[in-house]
Amino acid sequence: DVKVTQSSRYLVKRTGEKVFLECVQDMDHENMFWYRQDPGLGLRLIYFSYDVKMKEKGDIPEGYSVSREKKERFSLILESASTNQTSMYLCASLWWGAPPGELFFGEGSRLTVL
Amino acid sequence: QKEVEQDPGPLSVPEGAIVSLNCTYSNSAFQYFMWYRQYSRKGPELLMYTYSSGNKEDGRFTAQVDKSSKYISLFIRDSQPSDSATYLCAMSRGGAQKLVFGQGTRLTINP
Repeated sequence: DVKVTQSSRYLVKRTGEKVFLECVQDMDHENMFWYRQDPGLGLRLIYFSYDVKMKEKGDIPEGYSVSREKKERFSLILESASTNQTSMYLCASLWWGAPPGELFFGEGSRLTVL
Repeated sequence: QKEVEQDPGPLSVPEGAIVSLNCTYSNSAFQYFMWYRQYSRKGPELLMYTYSSGNKEDGRFTAQVDKSSKYISLFIRDSQPSDSATYLCAMSRGGAQKLVFGQGTRLTINP
């Protein structure tokens, strides 16, 4: 079974802090994604990566950056956290040959910014 | 107007009932249609996937796509308490980076 692991399930940070969210997948998938999930808004794509060191902006990249130094690991970085970044963050991976919707998600990282 | 609209519910039905969950969309270019199930405090998991129009059945679950009406449905037969979750529709015109999600419908099946 594909496993996507988000190391931090719950985080509480202060405004202005730098935040790292880590995601690791164990199935050698080329594509990895970061979404945020908010009530009434569904899932919105922040960034995605289709290969090591490659990244593309999603729909809401402002205030975020990403890093993909190894195929299995995709990190989301909040350079200076703000209260409007309080949300559930979901990492997902996808094999390059799979249909576009066959995403495998991690369990999520719930971030609260005070 | 959102590209994908989904009634957020909550929807509460008795065990054994037939459940119908729906999404409407505005972009006629969508070709791939998905339903994800998300249990509380978990990530979404893919439940059903359909390409273009038609029906797809998997056990107690049936996914239906009507492209002429821009409407997709998920039917759950003989619903069980373990079906209690949030159901998200998603669709794409091609490419996972172009996936658009509905808001999700929270469903509770009462024993």
